Amino acid sequence: AQTVTQSQPEMSVQEAETVTLSCTYDTSENNYYLFWYKQPPSRQMILVIRQEAYKQQNATENRFSVNFQKAAKSFSLKISDSQLGDTAMYFCAFMKLFSGAGSYQLTFGKGTKLSVIP
Amino acid sequence: DGGITQSPKYLFRKEGQNVTLSCEQNLNHDAMYWYRQDPGQGLRLIYYSQIVNDFQKGDIAEGYSVSREKKESFPLTVTSAQKNPTAFYLCASTTLGGTGELFFGEGSRLTVL
Repeated sequence: AQTVTQSQPEMSVQEAETVTLSCTYDTSENNYYLFWYKQPPSRQMILVIRQEAYKQQNATENRFSVNFQKAAKSFSLKISDSQLGDTAMYFCAFMKLFSGAGSYQLTFGKGTKLSVIP
Repeated sequence: DGGITQSPKYLFRKEGQNVTLSCEQNLNHDAMYWYRQDPGQGLRLIYYSQIVNDFQKGDIAEGYSVSREKKESFPLTVTSAQKNPTAFYLCASTTLGGTGELFFGEGSRLTVL
């Protein structure tokens, strides 16, 4: 079974500053996806960024980027130029691919509550 | 607009009653999921289905039941056997073999009185 650990229950950052959220995972699989989801106060889950394990290049989406270290099983999220709208719960998630038990299931970490301070 | 619709948004139940949460998607997705969210616990998988008329238990299936009679529908029944049913429930769907992104509904908040 896969596990996802987010070691920072809460974090805060000043508006326009940069913040990094940590995530580690444990798996024996070689083919998988990693995700960061955002859950604002509205509670609607929104995909922030996704990384395929076979790609060495770190994914980026505008102000959001990841540092994917496959050997270390680490997948941190960096938010640059933080905005008030970034205030939300952030969840790291793992998905095993292909066939077999547990494939295409998303396993979540417990989340990091990020507050952006004006 | 394509998406996932969950209903009701808020539901109150007396102890000993079964309740059913609705989840409908018009995205033509193969797989559907039910997650439970509690404060400090993240999201935990209750049940999932990758094909019509087939579903599998997730990590916390006890006290819950599901059906998948149509591709677009995946209702969740919270039975009286579920000891602590007060929670926020999220339904999601995805296409198998795609990007892996799960699309979520807006959630249903169940409160047991």
